[in-house]
Amino acid sequence: EVKLLESGGGLVQPGGSLRLSCAASGFTFTDFYMSWIRQPPGKAPEWLGVIRNKANGYTTEYNPSVKGRFTISRDNTQNILYLQMNTLRAKDTAIYYCARDPLSYGGWDYWGQGVMVTVSS
Amino acid sequence: DIQMTQSPASLSASLGETVTIECRASEDIYNGLAWYQQKPGKSPQLLIYNANSLHTGVPSRFSGSGSGTQYSLKINSLQSEDVASYFCQQYYNYPTFGGGTKLELK
Repeated sequence: EVKLLESGGGLVQPGGSLRLSCAASGFTFTDFYMSWIRQPPGKAPEWLGVIRNKANGYTTEYNPSVKGRFTISRDNTQNILYLQMNTLRAKDTAIYYCARDPLSYGGWDYWGQGVMVTVSS
Repeated sequence: DIQMTQSPASLSASLGETVTIECRASEDIYNGLAWYQQKPGKSPQLLIYNANSLHTGVPSRFSGSGSGTQYSLKINSLQSEDVASYFCQQYYNYPTFGGGTKLELK
């Protein structure tokens, strides 16, 4: 059974940093692209970025809205996906999800339960 | 970036009714479209990919159609468990979502 479990959320002050983790299980982690997506309360989701699979060199792409502030990485020995977030702003307040890219078609076929990040003084 | 305009923003329908949600892209997305269902407090769940392909385990009362810039999600014979928010998402270019449709029972 595919499982994705995020952790590391919480309250952070504006200008601060936070690292989110997503523990993956139930599939061959290195075979899949993995994305981070966020959703402000009551609003639509927003894709943040993707890290590709082993076959594609674990390269990354980012939404221009967070490029330079957010960094996606992965630990392929422990099957963990990371999102490093720097210079956080109030507008970054949202539920953050990790999600798996099915590869053979678009969209994301599995999502984590999400973790809340609140940026406030 | 490609803008996705979804309508209506909210919808009230009766059990057994057929419901249609529309999504318009700002440019041709060549069927690179997915639909998601999201229930309160839960993560989005994939319903449709490639505009018209049903994801594994999704009931057949859900269907997707469209091409070019215009796409739609249809729910036949509405069930109580279909009360949720629905989002379209294009993946022709870097992914973007529609604003969502909140579906309630009349």
